[in-house]
Amino acid sequence: EAGVAQSPRYKIIEKRQSVAFWCNPISGHATLYWYQQILGQGPKLLIQFQNNGVVDDSQLPKDRFSAERLKGVDSTLKIQPAKLEDSAVYLCASSFTGGGTEAFFGQGTRLTVV
Amino acid sequence: KQEVTQIPAALSVPEGENLVLNCSFTDSAIYNLQWFRQDPGKGLTSLLLIQSSQREQTSGRLNASLDKSSGRSTLYIAASQPGDSATYLCAVGEETSGSRLTFGEGTQLTVNP
Repeated sequence: EAGVAQSPRYKIIEKRQSVAFWCNPISGHATLYWYQQILGQGPKLLIQFQNNGVVDDSQLPKDRFSAERLKGVDSTLKIQPAKLEDSAVYLCASSFTGGGTEAFFGQGTRLTVV
Repeated sequence: KQEVTQIPAALSVPEGENLVLNCSFTDSAIYNLQWFRQDPGKGLTSLLLIQSSQREQTSGRLNASLDKSSGRSTLYIAASQPGDSATYLCAVGEETSGSRLTFGEGTQLTVNP
C-alpha cells in the first residue's frame, strides 16, 4: 500500500514570496491533515479536511495560509506572503475516517524562509 | 483546550536497558492515543494506536498503556538498541474537535552502544 506522498521535500524562499505544498493521501482515506512542525517542537494542526470539507482550521493563519482539497483526494497548502517564522516542516497525514482511526504521515516538506 | 505533555524531554541510556516514556493529557474525551517515532529530517512513523476503550497495545519490543481516566499513557521499550534512537511523540485524537490529533513535544531518545 502506497503511503502519503508529499512534494517538494525541501524548499527555500525569500520572505514575502509565495510557496505551495502538495499532498496525496493514502487511497480511500477520507480525512487529511496538514501540520506545521517547528524545530524542536511537536507538530501543530493547521487544517483538517473530511473529504473535501474543512473540519477544523482554527489554528490556520488565514491572512497568509490557505489550503484546499479538490475532489476529496489531493490537497495543496499555500503560504502567501511567507514570513521568517514560517520556516518549519509541513507534514501531511491521512486517516480512513478520522475519529478512532490510525493516522499516517508523509515525509514532510522542509521550508526555509530567508 | 487539550494539552499533551511528554516527560522526559530527553533520555540517554546504554544499550540493553528497558525504558519508559511518559505522556499525559488534560482532557480525557479522546478517541485514541497514538505513539509515533520521528527520525531526524524524516516524517512520523506510527508505532502503536490505542483506542480509548483499550488498556494497552503491544508490537514487538514496544508496549503502550493507556489510563484514560487519569490522562496518562506510557511507552515501554524493552531491551533498547542503538537503532531505537529517535524522537518519540504521543498524540491524542480528540472527541470534541472532530478527531484533531494533538501532539506532545516529544522525548528525544539516545541509546548508546
